[in-house]
Amino acid sequence: SYELTQPPSVSVSPGQTARITCSGDALPKKYAYWYQQKSGQAPVLVIYEDSKRPSGIPERFSGSSSGTMATLTISGAQVEDEADYYCYSTDSSGNHIWVFGGGTKLTVL
Amino acid sequence: EVQLVESGGGLVKPGGSLRLSCAASGFTFSSYSMNWVRQAPGKGLEWVSSISSSSSYIYYADSVKGRFTISRDNAKNSLYLQMNSLRAEDTAVYYCARDFLLYCSGGSCYSEEGYFDLWGRGTLVTVSS
Repeated sequence: SYELTQPPSVSVSPGQTARITCSGDALPKKYAYWYQQKSGQAPVLVIYEDSKRPSGIPERFSGSSSGTMATLTISGAQVEDEADYYCYSTDSSGNHIWVFGGGTKLTVL
Repeated sequence: EVQLVESGGGLVKPGGSLRLSCAASGFTFSSYSMNWVRQAPGKGLEWVSSISSSSSYIYYADSVKGRFTISRDNAKNSLYLQMNSLRAEDTAVYYCARDFLLYCSGGSCYSEEGYFDLWGRGTLVTVSS
């Protein structure tokens, strides 16, 4: 079965740049989506189609993808950005099977 | 108000069945593809199943295929998940989530898979003896 691999945790100080990676064999052909989930809340989309930002998401959130790795970048991370982040994508089989990465806990302190 | 509200969760014994519902309001439910996503306690997110606006296309994660059935009733603005042969590993909060609508044309609507633009608050399913 298809897997997306993320680091379990990333830690930065406020104002620093946080980078969260997501590795998957199909990412050269398939878009990555990024979801933010704060404690006790439903997830929120922060990046779609590798690098696009939904309306209402701060400009400090950006995304990129190269080869088999997608990256979520938070430039000038704020304390309120502390959350779990999940990448989401599909494999290249065409079977419409979607998977989330294991999630990355971002700590900003 | 645009919202999704899940219900039907609870405690069920292994091997048992449960039917979850998701009530949609504030938008044209029949235009949107919908999904179920679950999260085991303290664990990550897992996509479970999706259904297109007209129920023409249905997909399942391998972990639930053959045991779970997704369905919808557009007249009732409702999404369902029938869960049979439940296992302890099915214990999770179950969220319904809406796909972002790209456009409608010729009576058919097309959503962007992967782009969940609206989530419910979830309903907890516990499978335990």
